[in-house]
Amino acid sequence: QSVLTQPPSVSGAPGQRVTISCTGSSSNIGAGYDVHWYQQLPGTAPKLLMYGYSNRPSGVPDRFSGSKSGTSASLAITGLQAEDEADYYCQSYDSSLSGYVFGTGTKVTVL
Amino acid sequence: QVQLQGSGPGLVKPSQTLSLTCTVSGGSISSGSFYWSWIRQPAGKGLEWIGRIYNSGSTNYNPSLKSRVTISVDTSKNQFSLKLSSVTAADTAVYYCARVLASNSRGYYMDVWGKGTTVTVSS
Repeated sequence: QSVLTQPPSVSGAPGQRVTISCTGSSSNIGAGYDVHWYQQLPGTAPKLLMYGYSNRPSGVPDRFSGSKSGTSASLAITGLQAEDEADYYCQSYDSSLSGYVFGTGTKVTVL
Repeated sequence: QVQLQGSGPGLVKPSQTLSLTCTVSGGSISSGSFYWSWIRQPAGKGLEWIGRIYNSGSTNYNPSLKSRVTISVDTSKNQFSLKLSSVTAADTAVYYCARVLASNSRGYYMDVWGKGTTVTVSS
């Protein structure tokens, strides 16, 4: 019962730029709660990719960037590489649920 | 560096209780301002937050699972645990444990994840 909506899939050729949107509501993103992003490679656990909209943990390439606009957030990948092929999830906090919520997930395919 | 390792039965019968434990290594479960959380993921589907616990024992649960979920912490063993009662096939999933910390601004995120424990509900 995801309350954050993402496109099911995005694709791009190596070297291109792709963006993933995450649309929420007034009880989560619109209420000012931060959005965070996770990368899940096939068969592995999710890995923190971005926190607080645009902060990268140590080791995450600066090809990944994040932003916010109103009740939405976006993750951009520039200079797309084959190793970026994975599922990506956004996550926030929802005040009406008093808990964490995840996005529906987006599969990134490198053509 | 902190690592999390989930453990528990991989097969649970319908109507029974699913029990999993997450062991924290490389740091104390009692130190710092961390929450500890369980998340699950059915095969081919997205992530679902189950609940969280603070080292004091304070808990919050996903409203959709609240009536069936109990999360507890054992600081002496550096572990936290999940119990999900009255399971059905819909509870079949990979269950992840994760460390949660507060964002700089507002909110929380999971910075360390366990590798996941696959649980199948079947007779």
